[in-house]
Amino acid sequence: DIQMTQSPASLSASLGETVTIECRASEDIYNGLAWYQQKPGKSPQLLIYNANSLHTGVPSRFSGSGSGTQYSLKINSLQSEDVASYFCQQYYNYPYTFGAGTKLELK
Amino acid sequence: EVQLQQSGPELRRPGSSVKLSCKASGYSITDYLMHWVKHRPEHGLEWIGWIDPEDGETKYAQKFQSKATLTADTSSNTAYMQLSSLTSEDTATYFCARGQLPGYNPNWFAYWGQGTLVTVSS
Repeated sequence: DIQMTQSPASLSASLGETVTIECRASEDIYNGLAWYQQKPGKSPQLLIYNANSLHTGVPSRFSGSGSGTQYSLKINSLQSEDVASYFCQQYYNYPYTFGAGTKLELK
Repeated sequence: EVQLQQSGPELRRPGSSVKLSCKASGYSITDYLMHWVKHRPEHGLEWIGWIDPEDGETKYAQKFQSKATLTADTSSNTAYMQLSSLTSEDTATYFCARGQLPGYNPNWFAYWGQGTLVTVSS
C-alpha cells in the first residue's frame, strides 16, 4: 500500500496569513493526488485534484503543487471559514490511501 | 444536482451486522463507481472499496475484504454496504462517495454522502 505522510498534524495561523500543508507519498504517485477540507460533523469537500487543479467553486486562495512523492496545499490570505481539517488522498493505485490530516486553527 | 443521501445512525451489539444505504439522485448510479470510506477521528480516513452498480463488480481494500459487502439496487438508485461481525473497531462514520470521472478511471471524490455513524457497544 502507498503510505501518505502528512505534516504538520496541527497548525495555528492568523487571519490573512499564508499556510502550507505537505504530503509525502511512499512512492511516486504521478500527480494522482487530491486535497479535501473537512469541518466537524460534515463530509469532506474536494479542494484540489490531479495535484494542482482547483475544483469548481473552490476559492482561488487554495492551490496545490508538487510532483513525484512530494505535494503541498497552500492557502493564501487565511479566512475564518478555512478553520477545518485537511486531508490528502492518493488515487494513483489501490487501495486509495489518505494522509492522517492537518487540523488548522486560528491563532 | 448530484446528491448522496445516507441512512441514519445505527447502534449495534458486538458480533452483529448492519446494512447502510446511500441513495443517489441527480444521476444514474450505473454510470459511476460508488466508493465507501471509513472515518474515525483518531485514525483518519480509510478507503473501504467500490462497487460498479452496473454489473455488481466490487473491489475492496484487503483489510475490509471480510468485513464489508457492497451491493447496489439500480431500480432505486441506491448503494448499500453491509458490515459483519461488528466490534468496537467498527465504531466510525461511514461515507459513500462518487468519483468525478465515470468508469474505472483513477478517481478523486467530488461527491460525498453526509455520513452514517455506526456505534458498536454492548
